[in-house]
Amino acid sequence: GAVVSQHPSWVICKSGTSVKIECRSLDFQATTMFWYRQFPKQSLMLMATSNEGSKATYEQGVEKDKFLINHASLTLSTLTVTSAHPEDSSFYICSVLDSSNQPQHFGDGTRLSIL
Amino acid sequence: RKEVEQDPGPFNVPEGATVAFNCTYSNSASQSFFWYRQDCRKEPKLLMSVYSSGNEDGRFTAQLNRASQYISLLIRDSKLSDSATYLCVVNDGNFNKFYFGSGTKLNVKP
Repeated sequence: GAVVSQHPSWVICKSGTSVKIECRSLDFQATTMFWYRQFPKQSLMLMATSNEGSKATYEQGVEKDKFLINHASLTLSTLTVTSAHPEDSSFYICSVLDSSNQPQHFGDGTRLSIL
Repeated sequence: RKEVEQDPGPFNVPEGATVAFNCTYSNSASQSFFWYRQDCRKEPKLLMSVYSSGNEDGRFTAQLNRASQYISLLIRDSKLSDSATYLCVVNDGNFNKFYFGSGTKLNVKP
């Protein structure tokens, strides 16, 4: 069964809207979750590492004020794309780790389309 | 230089063929290695971890060559359903950092 639940799976909204994406770990407590973005025909690009109870660690070039991450519990991390614009249209995927050095488990991804 | 490099392909092979992908990594201290499969517009799914001694799972065989810093994936008796993009993923022992290759696209044709 699914280890990670991501919601919503598809969002279409107008430019300027803020969109929240949820990532839930179903089988275990996840102190660390990752948020990735994937543009068509490109690989996954890590945006930020979400740490439970502390601030997220953002990769270079990712605006923390635009991509707000909240990891308030051991099973839930949220990514909010604030004031989204067409260039933010992408496939956003979260992943969780159940222990170090183990493979990540990915959510189903959220396809975001900004008109 | 990218941390992980893969030939983007596409590899176009007939059903039943054997196909191999390589992936090179730049950090000699890398600890863990994985192959993921990603179907179009879907999330990556773990195909197999790669161990130092090499490992096999059915038609899939993964090898690690630490001296040359590459990992490989061999698919035997290709099926149409094997068509996907195969991602090489490397972890340097810091579990906050996973490095993804850009993926190798495989098309298996009837």
